[in-house]
Amino acid sequence: NAGVTQTPKFRVLKTGQSMTLLCAQDMNHEYMYWYRQDPGMGLRLIHYSVGEGTTAKGEVPDGYNVSRLKKQNFLLGLESAAPSQTSVYFCATYSSWGYGYTFGSGTRLTVV
Amino acid sequence: SQKIEQNSEALNIQEGKTATLTCNYTNYSPAYLQWYRQDPGRGPVFLLLIRENEKEKRKERLKVTFDTTLKQSLFHITASQPADSATYLCALVPGTGFQKLVFGTGTRLLVSP
Repeated sequence: NAGVTQTPKFRVLKTGQSMTLLCAQDMNHEYMYWYRQDPGMGLRLIHYSVGEGTTAKGEVPDGYNVSRLKKQNFLLGLESAAPSQTSVYFCATYSSWGYGYTFGSGTRLTVV
Repeated sequence: SQKIEQNSEALNIQEGKTATLTCNYTNYSPAYLQWYRQDPGRGPVFLLLIRENEKEKRKERLKVTFDTTLKQSLFHITASQPADSATYLCALVPGTGFQKLVFGTGTRLLVSP
């Protein structure tokens, strides 16, 4: 039982390149989220999903796209990476009231 | 504007003492508040949740209080240990009826032997 798995763990991109971050969960949770964490800024919500086939914008969605074609996977895409997208990205899931989020271990992305 | 504030300065305490971390919020009416622990290079781990109508919640050496009048939550670790050293994040649901957590920036706790 792996919980929430993020791939890759580290990545360096050049400005303008594209990439996809994958989040996979084996807990059958309906809700999935992508956050970014920057020093002094805390965790900020990028996009989220309330179920298979749904996505919605969070606090900082610009420059990112997401897809949730299967319940267990939530993909975060950067179409044209910018240095401002250098950050640590966390995926999280949520199942029901009374419990907290389950986070993945993060992807450290550097855009040069 | 809406804010969640945690002390950005690290809290240094000696082993065995009680650590108290503060979370203040502005212009939110949260249905409940959560606390997470984050170790370097890892994702946050859920610790405790407290509802708006609860004054206090305990779990082993952890205690959380929630004062909706003061708009503040306090997080206590009693009999602290060096293994408790980590960053602690508070988070709240803005009362919109949907699970969309907003996080504070966290406070780093350092427990020395």
